[in-house]
Amino acid sequence: QTVVTQEPSFSVSPGGTVTLTCGLSSDSVSTSYYPSWYQQTPGQAPRTLIYSTNTRSSGVPDRFSGSILGNKAALTITGAQADDESDYYCVLYMGSGISVFGGGTKLTVL
Amino acid sequence: QVQLVESGGGLVKPGGSLRLSCAASGFTFSGYYMSWLRQAPGEGLEWVSYISSGSSYTDYADSVKGRFTISRDNAKNSLYLQMDSLRVEDATVYYCATYNWNYKYFDYWGQGTLVTVSS
Repeated sequence: QTVVTQEPSFSVSPGGTVTLTCGLSSDSVSTSYYPSWYQQTPGQAPRTLIYSTNTRSSGVPDRFSGSILGNKAALTITGAQADDESDYYCVLYMGSGISVFGGGTKLTVL
Repeated sequence: QVQLVESGGGLVKPGGSLRLSCAASGFTFSGYYMSWLRQAPGEGLEWVSYISSGSSYTDYADSVKGRFTISRDNAKNSLYLQMDSLRVEDATVYYCATYNWNYKYFDYWGQGTLVTVSS
């Protein structure tokens, strides 16, 4: 069974930079997996941040960026703000319409 | 403005059935693939199912295959999820979302509807 891995938690100082990663238990993540990233605050629906590895969704500030770092997908937040404190989920496309979510990273800004 | 509004959630006994609906507006519904996703309270997100724009293609997560059926009515701008043989572990918030087939991502999300499975 394919497992998509994310750091369970991360913290960053206001104004700082943080990189969250998204890996695969059995393979290296490449652009072929179409990594996408979503932000979710408690009680709210997810918000799409990044798709197709590094394309920002409409209205997403440019301090959010996506990339491939080594064998993982990565979401970098530059100049973290208090309202970036959220859960972040990556999704990898496995083919045939099937998407697998990572377990999410809880980001604390303090 | 894109809007997706889920409905149909509620309390059901294990083994029971429920049909969720998602009313879409603000975009050309018939041109989009659609998906259902779910999230247990305090847990992560899980993809459940997708359907192509013309209903020709569907697929399901292994956890619901054979029990859930996705469908859509493009004339009514509506997406559905028929859930049968419900289990306690199916008790989650269910979201509908548009699915961008070209870039393999969920672009617009509804606010979700809660399904509770309990005797």
